[in-house]
Amino acid sequence: AQSVTQPDIHITVSEGASLELRCNYSYGATPYLFWYVQSPGQGLQLLLKYFSGDTLVQGIKGFEAEFKRSQSSFNLRKPSVHWSDAAEYFCAVFPPTGGGNKLTFGTGTQLKVEL
Amino acid sequence: KAGVTQTPRYLIKTRGQQVTLSCSPISGHRSVSWYQQTPGQGLQFLFEYFSETQRNKGNFPGRFSGRQFSNSRSEMNVSTLELGDSALYLCASSLLSGGHEQYFGPGTRLTVT
Repeated sequence: AQSVTQPDIHITVSEGASLELRCNYSYGATPYLFWYVQSPGQGLQLLLKYFSGDTLVQGIKGFEAEFKRSQSSFNLRKPSVHWSDAAEYFCAVFPPTGGGNKLTFGTGTQLKVEL
Repeated sequence: KAGVTQTPRYLIKTRGQQVTLSCSPISGHRSVSWYQQTPGQGLQFLFEYFSETQRNKGNFPGRFSGRQFSNSRSEMNVSTLELGDSALYLCASSLLSGGHEQYFGPGTRLTVT
């Protein structure tokens, strides 16, 4: 079955430390891949997306993600975390063919930043 | 350019009632999708409307319905509310249907008592 997995439910990092959030997908072909962030009581904000091409994509707020076809992964990274990055992060996938605009989301990773 | 707006932001309803939520997409965007977010089920796709036609539907009962107007604004309706319908309902707009990034509104928090 097609799915997207975020193995880490909670992650705690110290401010200034590096961050990597994991995302794995299971699809027959490479889907379109997205990372969203959600602050408490808010909607989702698009951080970055991968459709094709360069496997390292840059996003907003200093985030980047690397697509690795061999590992079916699209991990989100940030070199130095700020306290304001505390939020919930969702990986989402979209099938490359047909299906309209139906995004399938992972279960999310809650990021806590220690000062 | 203004973002996606959703009204109302908060809503409290009683079991058995019905509710209508509204979403105004980003200007120029023609696709509107709806998602339900709950602690237990996470983010789940409800349906998508594009050019006033439902393009795609998630695995929800027929009590959940929607529509889109000629100006791309969309409404979703839930009839005969159940306690389990308590959730954050998110609307997302996209320029077109099929593979374009979606931009989300702040959501409507529905509480069913």
